[in-house]
Amino acid sequence: AQSVTQLDSQVPVFEEAPVELRCNYSSSVSVYLFWYVQYPNQGLQLLLKYLSGSTLVKGINGFEAEFNKSQTSFHLRKPSVHISDTAEYFCAVSEMGADKLIFGTGTRLQVFP
Amino acid sequence: DVKVTQSSRYLVKRTGEKVFLECVQDMDHENMFWYRQDPGLGLRLIYFSYDVKMKEKGDIPEGYSVSREKKERFSLILESASTNQTSMYLCASSFGSIGQSNQPQHFGDGTRLSIL
Repeated sequence: AQSVTQLDSQVPVFEEAPVELRCNYSSSVSVYLFWYVQYPNQGLQLLLKYLSGSTLVKGINGFEAEFNKSQTSFHLRKPSVHISDTAEYFCAVSEMGADKLIFGTGTRLQVFP
Repeated sequence: DVKVTQSSRYLVKRTGEKVFLECVQDMDHENMFWYRQDPGLGLRLIYFSYDVKMKEKGDIPEGYSVSREKKERFSLILESASTNQTSMYLCASSFGSIGQSNQPQHFGDGTRLSIL
């Protein structure tokens, strides 16, 4: 069965530093991968998605993620974070032909001045 | 832009009450979903629907039911609310038919429900 693991529940970082949020998944078939962001007191907003093609995917707000099939990973990166990036980030996976998304438990990114 | 609107941001109810959470989307999406979000557990799927009057159980349907009488509206019902149903509830919608899992979901802002 498919599952998603976000190893880091919290990631503290200083403003303008680079950040990587890790996501690993397990599945025996091809998958679609998503990253969502949740700002305080809001719903989830799509950051980026991998469906097929280039393994490096660029999203909104300067984020990007790389799909690594051999390591079953889809890590999210940003070269220089801003205070406004403070939020919770969710990785999600969907198997091709499946009915639903499976979400990870989330990573809280806290950016300090 | 897709707009998913949940009728209440905050709701306080008593144990044993029947509770209705309403969700409306304005983009003619076929699919609608109800999740609950709890710290350390991420989002867990309660129910989803691919069409009017159609519903499917998610991972944690116990204690909940749903109704989809119109395409744009998906209601979550707590038949007899209990304290362990205190949570954040998120509604989402997406375009596409059954098994078209490459479509992103669009979320409402959530309803924070407290059962006392």
